[in-house]
Amino acid sequence: KAGVTQTPRYLIKTRGQQVTLSCSPISGHRSVSWYQQTPGQGLQFLFEYFSETQRNKGNFPGRFSGRQFSNSRSEMNVSTLELGDSALYLCASSGGGRSEDIQYFGAGTRLSVL
Amino acid sequence: GENVEQHPSTLSVQEGDSAVIKCTYSDSASNYFPWYKQELGKGPQLIIDIRSNVGEKKDQRIAVTLNKTAKHFSLHITETQPEDSAVYFCAVPPALGGANNLFFGTGTRLTVIP
Repeated sequence: KAGVTQTPRYLIKTRGQQVTLSCSPISGHRSVSWYQQTPGQGLQFLFEYFSETQRNKGNFPGRFSGRQFSNSRSEMNVSTLELGDSALYLCASSGGGRSEDIQYFGAGTRLSVL
Repeated sequence: GENVEQHPSTLSVQEGDSAVIKCTYSDSASNYFPWYKQELGKGPQLIIDIRSNVGEKKDQRIAVTLNKTAKHFSLHITETQPEDSAVYFCAVPPALGGANNLFFGTGTRLTVIP
């Protein structure tokens, strides 16, 4: 069974631009969560999608948004990029979407904002 | 949200020795406690988890103990090997459930010296 796939693996953008990251969950998984990982703040929850609906959202500005498609694939978008958005963005999928379900992580997309 | 504290932040051990990492959490209603291992260039990978109805779980050289009264859980790695070198994260889901996100500890960088 294929794992969680994130594309692209690396991105370089400049301030003010926008970016879209993609996540393909494990086949059959309906929940996709996004996390931001930085050396200073660690792993922080961005939002979670379950059956195409955003079910939960972390404490990030509205520049961060996402969506989920009917095949459970998810995208996240960051508009008006700032230097502080440089981070590793991780996607995790789980089957039933319960809080105690195992989350499986992708390798992440490393975003650098110049 | 859940407040998760993890100690120590760095840990160096000689190959063959044991390593112990401890996490404390704030919400007494939490009932699921996973540990993740993150190697360089990869996403976090679940290595062991424990649910609140048991006090200890073991999988070969890895064990997790849970003390719900004191609100802490610990990862124990015995007979450490160089390939155990990585960053380890504890995590706790929101106690209310209904959504699939994790609050992560700040991580422990484990170095196993051959």
